[in-house]
Amino acid sequence: EVQLLESGGDLVQPGGSLRLSCAASGFTFSTYAMSWVRQAPGKGLEWVSSVSDSGSSTYYADSVKGRFTISRDSSKNTLYLQMNSLRAEDTALYYCAKGARITMFRGGVWGSSFDYWGPGTLVTVSS
Amino acid sequence: DIQMTQSPSSLSASVGDRVTITCRASQGVGNYLAWYQQKPGKVPKLLIYSASTLQSGVPSRFSGSGSGTDFTLTISSLQPEDVATYYCQKYNSGLFTFGPGTKVDIK
Repeated sequence: EVQLLESGGDLVQPGGSLRLSCAASGFTFSTYAMSWVRQAPGKGLEWVSSVSDSGSSTYYADSVKGRFTISRDSSKNTLYLQMNSLRAEDTALYYCAKGARITMFRGGVWGSSFDYWGPGTLVTVSS
Repeated sequence: DIQMTQSPSSLSASVGDRVTITCRASQGVGNYLAWYQQKPGKVPKLLIYSASTLQSGVPSRFSGSGSGTDFTLTISSLQPEDVATYYCQKYNSGLFTFGPGTKVDIK
């Protein structure tokens, strides 16, 4: 059974940093892309970042580019999101999501839907 | 960047009704379009990928169609357990943008 469990959410001041983790089990972690998606209170889903199965390719939403870094450690079956220069608008429930089968596009770009999601971890940015 | 829109933003229908939700991309995304269901207080669930392929375990009353810029999610006979917000998502070109969502409830 696929399981994803996020941790690391907390209350942090504007300008601060936080690292989220997502522990994965029930599948071969190193062979699937992984992603972070967030949902502000009462709002819709916002894709944040994705990383390829090998970790060599990463994508970011414009809203977090230059501030957030996605990474993965296949020896620990864990996905990470390092969040720096946090803003009030980063307040949200952060979900970890497993990629389904990857599709390759021209120029080495890839994509996939998200077939399993964790329960989320709450990040609150406030003074 | 490609923008995703959905219509309507909300709808209310009776049990047994046929419900159709539309998703539109500002540029063509091929058939690289997924639909998710998020019930109140729950985690999103993948319903359909590749615009029309039903994810394993999803009831057959859900179906998807379309390609390019215009897509639809259809619930053939609305059930009480289908009360949820439905999101489309494109996943081509390295940007995985979600639509704003369509809230479905029972009349």
